[in-house]
Amino acid sequence: GENVEQHPSTLSVQEGDSAVIKCTYSDSASNYFPWYKQELGKRPQLIIDIRSNVGEKKDQRIAVTLNKTAKHFSLHITETQPEDSAVYFCAASISSGTYKYIFGTGTRLKVLA
Amino acid sequence: DSGVTQTPKHLITATGQRVTLRCSPRSGDLSVYWYQQSLDQGLQFLIQYYNGEERAKGNILERFSAQQFPDLHSELNLSSLELGDSALYFCASSLASNQPQHFGDGTRLSIL
Repeated sequence: GENVEQHPSTLSVQEGDSAVIKCTYSDSASNYFPWYKQELGKRPQLIIDIRSNVGEKKDQRIAVTLNKTAKHFSLHITETQPEDSAVYFCAASISSGTYKYIFGTGTRLKVLA
Repeated sequence: DSGVTQTPKHLITATGQRVTLRCSPRSGDLSVYWYQQSLDQGLQFLIQYYNGEERAKGNILERFSAQQFPDLHSELNLSSLELGDSALYFCASSLASNQPQHFGDGTRLSIL
């Protein structure tokens, strides 16, 4: 069935370095790709999203890229800070037919001061 | 504040019991989603409703059921509770399937 693979499961970086998290989706009908950040004990919150008609989107230190041919998308965080430490989830959504919204398994990011 | 309200925040009960978790979606959102998150685990999709109708089903146990009412609030019913059902249960809402989901603060369920 449809799924979203997310890698790596854990990621440790030095403060100031960049972090990259990658997701691969299986259903070519997917057309919406959000990223969520979940701090310890809190609810997931949307940090950035991209639609299938766009290849890249940037918001300050975070950016998302989409490769529809390869069916993968990535989250890039530059100049990481300790407050970026959290679990990040990607998701892929289909807006017609099965109306599925599938989350990846999450990446625990640790930014070391 | 996401605009999604979940009650109660905490629930402690015993094995074999039945509980009901409630969710009020963000104003204007028609879709409601339920997720289960066990300790240090990902978001396990349970079920989705859109404007009162079941839209998609995930790995939801037969002991669990849900519904969305005409005023769009939703309830998740968990019965014959087992120790393994202890988890954080999130509700999320969105305008449509290809829109951002807005999560509530969750209900932490503890089974003793």
